[in-house]
Amino acid sequence: NAGVMQNPRHLVRRRGQEARLRCSPMKGHSHVYWYRQLPEEGLKFMVYLQKENIIDESGMPKERFSAEFPKEGPSILRIQQVVRGDSAAYFCASSPPEGLKTNTGELFFGEGSRLTVL
Amino acid sequence: AQSVAQPEDQVNVAEGNPLTVKCTYSVSGNPYLFWYVQYPNRGLQFLLKYITGDNLVKGSYGFEAEFNKSQTSFHLKKPSALVSDSALYFCAVRVSRGSTLGRLYFGRGTQLTVWP
Repeated sequence: NAGVMQNPRHLVRRRGQEARLRCSPMKGHSHVYWYRQLPEEGLKFMVYLQKENIIDESGMPKERFSAEFPKEGPSILRIQQVVRGDSAAYFCASSPPEGLKTNTGELFFGEGSRLTVL
Repeated sequence: AQSVAQPEDQVNVAEGNPLTVKCTYSVSGNPYLFWYVQYPNRGLQFLLKYITGDNLVKGSYGFEAEFNKSQTSFHLKKPSALVSDSALYFCAVRVSRGSTLGRLYFGRGTQLTVWP
């Protein structure tokens, strides 16, 4: 069973360009979470999605950031008009639907996508 | 509001000595508590969790943690540290409200360095 797959692992963008980060959850997982890790800082929650539904976006910046998790395909975190302050590692995590016997409570993390804005 | 505190940014121990990485939490609801480890340029790996039952939980790589409800703490411990344990450790909490859990709240992380 493959783990959480994130791509690209490394992405370099110039200021003003768009960044798209993809996350394929573990098989059988329908919940996806995105976190951002800045250098020397902890993990900041961004958004929590189920298939075709945003559950909690309280950590998303109001502008330039958006996320989706379509019925088919990976979850995508999109950053428009990137700025240098967007340089960070972006982690995706997944979990099974709540209430199932397979949901043991922990989230499973991918290896991250490291965005560098020049 | 839910929060997790890791009071030490860094912990340094000698190989073979016991180690403790501290964590306290503040939640409204029933906590699910977790420890994750992160090696450089890698993702987070799950170490152990407390949901219910025995307050002392054992996890991967010889780590254990003790849930203390009265002190709202969940300290990570290992009887004998290894150099390979050197990494960044995160304490995290999810809050159970009925049948839902919601997101993980993380502490700022503690950098553990084990010197030979």
